[in-house]
Amino acid sequence: ETGVTQTPRHLVMGMTNKKSLKCEQHLGHNAMYWYKQSAKKPLELMFVYSLEERVENNSVPSRFSPECPNSSHLFLHLHTLQPEDSALYLCASSQGGSGGYAYNEQFFGPGTRLTVL
Amino acid sequence: GQNIDQPTEMTATEGAIVQINCTYQTSGFNGLFWYQQHAGEAPTFLSYNVLDGLEEKGRFSSFLSRSKGYSYLLLKELQMKDSASYLCAASDSNYQLIWGAGTKLIIKP
Repeated sequence: ETGVTQTPRHLVMGMTNKKSLKCEQHLGHNAMYWYKQSAKKPLELMFVYSLEERVENNSVPSRFSPECPNSSHLFLHLHTLQPEDSALYLCASSQGGSGGYAYNEQFFGPGTRLTVL
Repeated sequence: GQNIDQPTEMTATEGAIVQINCTYQTSGFNGLFWYQQHAGEAPTFLSYNVLDGLEEKGRFSSFLSRSKGYSYLLLKELQMKDSASYLCAASDSNYQLIWGAGTKLIIKP
């Protein structure tokens, strides 16, 4: 595997389900991101992990819970979602500088298309 | 507040030239990125500008004016495969990317 991979590619879930999205990067980067992409809207940054520490949480509802067990893996745990959470969820990684943040271009995974019924 | 503006949609003809504009307002500035995103696929990096001027990379060029808060992406010799959305993103003082909503480019034969 190369680059950034995400599983599953498509997910349909009910509002009472619990599911997890997985992201893995094979680029040796030290920062990873979760984004939400809705039609005709800008990418919304949800979470940033730098050197496995969460450095950004942009007021995301608690029904989204990230986990970064190591610098190569990132998870997004989902529970009791709402229909408006239906979107494309993108994972990205980058190589940060001494501050561990996004100094360079971000490499994106193919995304998980999430539908909440 | 922080904001990125770019046109929602543009149409151009195969073989022609198209310029996609982007204006930005950010708290601090650490560069301007352009990404390409084909339908159903991941965004892929096209260019990065941090100094004023034009950066050329094959058929694609990107321009930046920091004083005007303005950038454009220039695509030459358009091909059908260039049909995609083009995302503009500015890096703020915390190196966080502020994203535009994207410009959908439609190429007609």
